[in-house]
Amino acid sequence: SAVISQKPSRDICQRGTSLTIQCQVDSQVTMMFWYRQQPGQSLTLIATANQGSEATYESGFVIDKFPISRPNLTFSTLTVSNMSPEDSSIYLCSAGQGGGTEAFFGQGTRLTVV
Amino acid sequence: AQTVTQSQPEMSVQEAETVTLSCTYDTSESDYYLFWYKQPPSRQMILVIRQEAYKQQNATENRFSVNFQKAAKSFSLKISDSQLGDAAMYFCAYSFGNEKLTFGTGTRLTIIP
Repeated sequence: SAVISQKPSRDICQRGTSLTIQCQVDSQVTMMFWYRQQPGQSLTLIATANQGSEATYESGFVIDKFPISRPNLTFSTLTVSNMSPEDSSIYLCSAGQGGGTEAFFGQGTRLTVV
Repeated sequence: AQTVTQSQPEMSVQEAETVTLSCTYDTSESDYYLFWYKQPPSRQMILVIRQEAYKQQNATENRFSVNFQKAAKSFSLKISDSQLGDAAMYFCAYSFGNEKLTFGTGTRLTIIP
C-alpha cells in the first residue's frame, strides 16, 4: 500500500495568483496523476505526472495553466496558475504501480478563488 | 474512448439491508480492470473492490461483492448488511494497462437507521 500526503488541505486565493499543491508518497510509485473534482461530482483527470519528463495532459487542460513537476518516484506538484473563480474546486493526487493495481489517493486540496 | 456510466445518482437503504449499485462501461479491450471506490465526506478515496476482466469469478470483499457480466459490460456492486459507515459516494472505475482510471459519475448512498 501507499500513503499519500497532500498539502495544503485547503486554501483561499486571490484571482490572478498561483497556488502550488504538493503530493508526497511514502514509497516509490510508477504512476502519479492529478484530478479535479467539483463537490458532489466525479473526478476529472488533469494530467499524468511523468517522472523526469513533461506531464501528459488531458483534453481541455494545458501546461501553461496547470504546470506539473515530478522530480522523482515519490513526489509531484501541481500548480494552478493565474487563478480565476472557475478554478475553485477540489484537486486530488493519485499514485500507484499501474497495471490494474490499486490506486491510492491523497485527501485532496479544496481551493477557493475569490 | 472508454466510458463508465452509473445510472443511479442517489440510492438509499435501510441499515442491515442489501443494496446494489449499477455500473456499465464501454471498451474494445478484452483484458482490463474494474474498481469500486468509496468517497466519504472526508474526501478520502478508498478502494472497495477490484475485478480483473480475465477472471470469470466475481470478486468479494467481506460484505461487498460484485456481479461482473463481461459480455453485457456490466459491473454492479452489492453491499450486504448495510452499515451507517457505508454512507458515501461510490464511484465505478475502469482502467487498461498503465492507463488512467476512468470514473463514472458516482452514486450517493444514504443509509437509513
